[in-house]
Amino acid sequence: DAGITQSPRHKVTETGTPVTLRCHQTENHRYMYWYRQDPGHGLRLIHYSYGVKDTDKGEVSDGYSVSRSKTEDFLLTLESATSSQTSVYFCAISEDRGSYEQYFGPGTRLTVT
Amino acid sequence: QQQVKQSPQSLIVQKGGISIINCAYENTAFDYFPWYQQFPGKGPALLIAIRPDVSEKKEGRFTISFNKSAKQFSLHIMDSQPGDSATYFCAASFTGFQKLVFGTGTRLLVSP
Repeated sequence: DAGITQSPRHKVTETGTPVTLRCHQTENHRYMYWYRQDPGHGLRLIHYSYGVKDTDKGEVSDGYSVSRSKTEDFLLTLESATSSQTSVYFCAISEDRGSYEQYFGPGTRLTVT
Repeated sequence: QQQVKQSPQSLIVQKGGISIINCAYENTAFDYFPWYQQFPGKGPALLIAIRPDVSEKKEGRFTISFNKSAKQFSLHIMDSQPGDSATYFCAASFTGFQKLVFGTGTRLLVSP
């Protein structure tokens, strides 16, 4: 298995509170991605990074920010959590862009009450 | 134009039967078509992938069929087993593109 860990694995938080999810990789892959998975929507890309301090938006980026200060860590922050952000969040890594395999982490289940 | 449409949303197949999941795309620049398999509580994992220079790729009981003119590709699972029960995602990308575009997923249940 690719060396990807996500923390926390489960979190319950209240509406309006800030939340940060962490993705850590030991593969030294350049590309890192954050997805959310919801029934009927599949996997939707939130943000991605193509290098340290290099990030870009995905299709559902509103309400989320990211940071990548080291190759191995990619943080996803919900500045003020809302109930619509209740979801399962997956981090993925890839050696390069495009037609390269993405390796997924185990996921974080976030519930916003 | 970046969408990948996947069907059916769910599928029930008897043990030993053939499971077929279909995907369609619009962007003719796509040149990489992977399928991911996801078990409950786990992250998706690459199952099999194809490039458009071939019309079919087989790995064990799993086969991708690719129809470039119709802009469609499908996953066939032969001799389906209960252990194949999972959610399957098709995806597409092209060389130099930063992302994978995923279908909405198919939940497969193989009954014993």
